[in-house]
Formats: sequence, C-alpha cells, structure tokens
Amino acid sequence: DAKTTQPPSMDCAEGRAANLPCNHSTISGNEYVYWYRQIHSQGPQYIIHGLKNNETNEMASLIITEDRKSSTLILPHATLRDTAVYYCIVSDYKLSFGAGTTVTVRA
Amino acid sequence: GAVVSQHPSWVICKSGTSVKIECRSLDFQATTMFWYRQFPKQSLMLMATSNEGSKATYEQGVEKDKFLINHASLTLSTLTVTSAHPEDSSFYICSARQTGAEDEKLFFGSGTQLSVL
Repeated sequence: DAKTTQPPSMDCAEGRAANLPCNHSTISGNEYVYWYRQIHSQGPQYIIHGLKNNETNEMASLIITEDRKSSTLILPHATLRDTAVYYCIVSDYKLSFGAGTTVTVRA
Repeated sequence: GAVVSQHPSWVICKSGTSVKIECRSLDFQATTMFWYRQFPKQSLMLMATSNEGSKATYEQGVEKDKFLINHASLTLSTLTVTSAHPEDSSFYICSARQTGAEDEKLFFGSGTQLSVL
C-alpha cells in the first residue's frame, strides 16, 4: 500500500530544470518527505528531505505544500548524469520504496 | 556524507550453499540498519530491520531462517542467505541510520548482486 504517488516517467532536457511531483495526501504530522535516486545497479543515493519547510542543498530543492499533501523535487540544471529512478518516500522511521519516477535527461 | 560499505559487490554461488553479505558504516555508528532486496525492473523491497544487540525484525513474508541477520556491533550488520536457490538471485542492499542523528536519513550501501546457479 503505497503512501506516495509519482508519475512513472518523465523526460527532461539537459541544462533545464527538472520538476518532479509527488503526492502524499495521507502523510501524518511526524513523517518526513525524503527523496532518493537510484542509478542502474547501484544503491539509492540520498538527495534531500524535509518536514514542513522548503529545503535546498547542493543537489536539489524540495518544495512542500502548506498542507503537506504534496511536494516537488527540483533539479535546477539537469545533466545527463541525473538520469535515474527518483523515489519520493514519506516516513518517520523505516523507508518503504514505491515505484518511483524514471527520469531521462536528454541532450 | 556518511559512507556505508557493502561487501561483496557481486557473488556467484552454487545452489544449496550459504552466502554472507556484510554492511559496514565507515564513519558513523548505526544502531539500526535495514536490508532490502530488489529484483530486475522492480523497486526495493524492505526485508528486515537490524538492531544492534538484539534480534532483527522481519517484514511479512520474509523467512527469518532463510535470511539470517546479525548486528553484533554499531558498525557492522551481516545478512546470510542460507541454502541459496536460484530464486534467491537478486540485488541485496543495506542501509544504515546514524545513531542519535536528528534528521533520520538513511545512507545506503552500493548493493550486492547475488547469482545462484
């Protein structure tokens, strides 16, 4: 029973911003929103996480709606190396992965 | 960021043998580690939660006698696939949570590809 809903796939042009949506309408008050990505045959890589406020780090920005029922991961300048499966996860302890969004960055 | 080392990265074994996979947190202590399994073209599936000094907690449908987990120290957890069969062939991934970390994020190992002949 998935807690998040993500589009199965999306394409993005190299150098442009990639906006990845995630719906988590049943999120509870103590659950964080995490984003990870997985490049083929590797372990997941942490990107960013947040509770209520928007967050930014060297990899991405995370925008969380005020009601916390959805969020958007923003990769500001996508490169070919950003091609991966991106997972949005809500959790207060252990992380359960859904199907994720397969992002393909095209030159 | 924190580093989780997983070894071996790939292993091929004969049916009926046992295989041990190690997961180490290199620069932090991890009271809790998690083990996942991933089949081709599928997402990661949580197998069990490994707690230092106590028994692991297994997810529904995961055989605890088949997948033995030991978390004897704050930096090492091991997963042993006992009497492996071809259907156990999969990508196994561990992750660790830094003890006492406020933000609760997990760091993942690079995974172990197990092929059982």
